[in-house]
Amino acid sequence: DVKVTQSSRYLVKRTGEKVFLECVQDMDHENMFWYRQDPGLGLRLIYFSYDVKMKEKGDIPEGYSVSREKKERFSLILESASTNQTSMYLCASSQLRGQGAYGYTFGSGTRLTVV
Amino acid sequence: QKEVEQNSGPLSVPEGAIASLNCTYSDRGSQSFFWYRQYSGKSPELIMSIYSNGDKEDGRFTAQLNKASQYVSLLIRDSQPSDSATYLCAVNAPNNFNKFYFGSGTKLNVKP
Repeated sequence: DVKVTQSSRYLVKRTGEKVFLECVQDMDHENMFWYRQDPGLGLRLIYFSYDVKMKEKGDIPEGYSVSREKKERFSLILESASTNQTSMYLCASSQLRGQGAYGYTFGSGTRLTVV
Repeated sequence: QKEVEQNSGPLSVPEGAIASLNCTYSDRGSQSFFWYRQYSGKSPELIMSIYSNGDKEDGRFTAQLNKASQYVSLLIRDSQPSDSATYLCAVNAPNNFNKFYFGSGTKLNVKP
């Protein structure tokens, strides 16, 4: 089975801190994604990547950046954490496909609280 | 208008009944459609994919796609209390096969 591992299940950070969320997948997937999930708003795409050192903005990239130095690892960075970034963060990966895409495999999520 | 719309529910069905979950999407160019199940406090897990008009069956689950009506549904036959979860519909972005938009999910309660 594909496994997507997120480094932390729960995190509490202070306003203004720089926060790193790590995600590692073990099945050589090309695509990796970062979403946040909030009640009533569903899953919203922050950033995604199709290849090493490649990144594209999703729908809500403000206040975030990403890094993909190795194929298996995709990091989400909160440059200066704010309370409105308190959320559940979900990493996902999938195989690259031209048409008829593959579904995602999600990590277990990181619940981040910014105080 | 959101890209993917779902009724938030909750949808309550008795054990053994058929649960019907619905999803509409806004862009006719979308070609890949998925259903995910998410238990409370857990991450979503993929349960069904469908790419062509019609029905696709997998065990107790049937996905239905009608591209003309821009409508996707998930039927769960012989519903069990363990099916109680939030079900998310996902539709690919038409200009990007590997990027998906998610609905907000429908909460299903199966009562014993």
